[in-house]
Amino acid sequence: EAQVTQNPRYLITVTGKKLTVTCSQNMNHEYMSWYRQDPGLGLRQIYYSMNVEVTDKGDVPEGYKVSRKEKRNFPLILESPSPNQTSLYFCASRTMGGQETQYFGPGTRLLVL
Amino acid sequence: KQEVTQIPAALSVPEGENLVLNCSFTDSAIYNLQWFRQDPGKGLTSLLLIQSSQREQTSGRLNASLDKSSGRSTLYIAASQPGDSATYLCAVLADSNYQLIWGAGTKLIIKP
Repeated sequence: EAQVTQNPRYLITVTGKKLTVTCSQNMNHEYMSWYRQDPGLGLRQIYYSMNVEVTDKGDVPEGYKVSRKEKRNFPLILESPSPNQTSLYFCASRTMGGQETQYFGPGTRLLVL
Repeated sequence: KQEVTQIPAALSVPEGENLVLNCSFTDSAIYNLQWFRQDPGKGLTSLLLIQSSQREQTSGRLNASLDKSSGRSTLYIAASQPGDSATYLCAVLADSNYQLIWGAGTKLIIKP
């Protein structure tokens, strides 16, 4: 089954404690991205990657890091989380050609205290 | 810069009615336009994708149209059901940088 998986699904942490949210896709997609979704602000892109070792900033990259060492994985790293990073996070993937839709993971709900 | 707008922000209709959701975009240079559905606290599910060369796509009770020249798309839902209640988002794949540009969504409530 084609899918994007994220872990963990729910996370409560404290300010400053480094965390990683994993993302994996099984569709051999070149393009992967991370979004955050906040009430009233909609979906905002954090980072994206168009291939292995190729990453770029989205609209709200501050406070986040990503890496793309393998095609299937695209982890999101919060080196020093702050309360304003409390949000619902989605990983997504798709092909580069624009012929197919974008697939989303189930989301990770993060609370930073 | 491409901007995507969805009107209305919220819509409540009785079960059984046909309804139209609207999406407009400012730059006609797009690869495609996509409609997604999101249930509360859940991920996004793709409903329909319309390529820039197409005028419409249909899936079951859903029909999406695209008019690039006017920068508009509509999502038509026939014979609405309470299970259609969700937030509907449209997004355009921008021609220049391969990024999906998102609307803020329309929250749809179908009353039994």
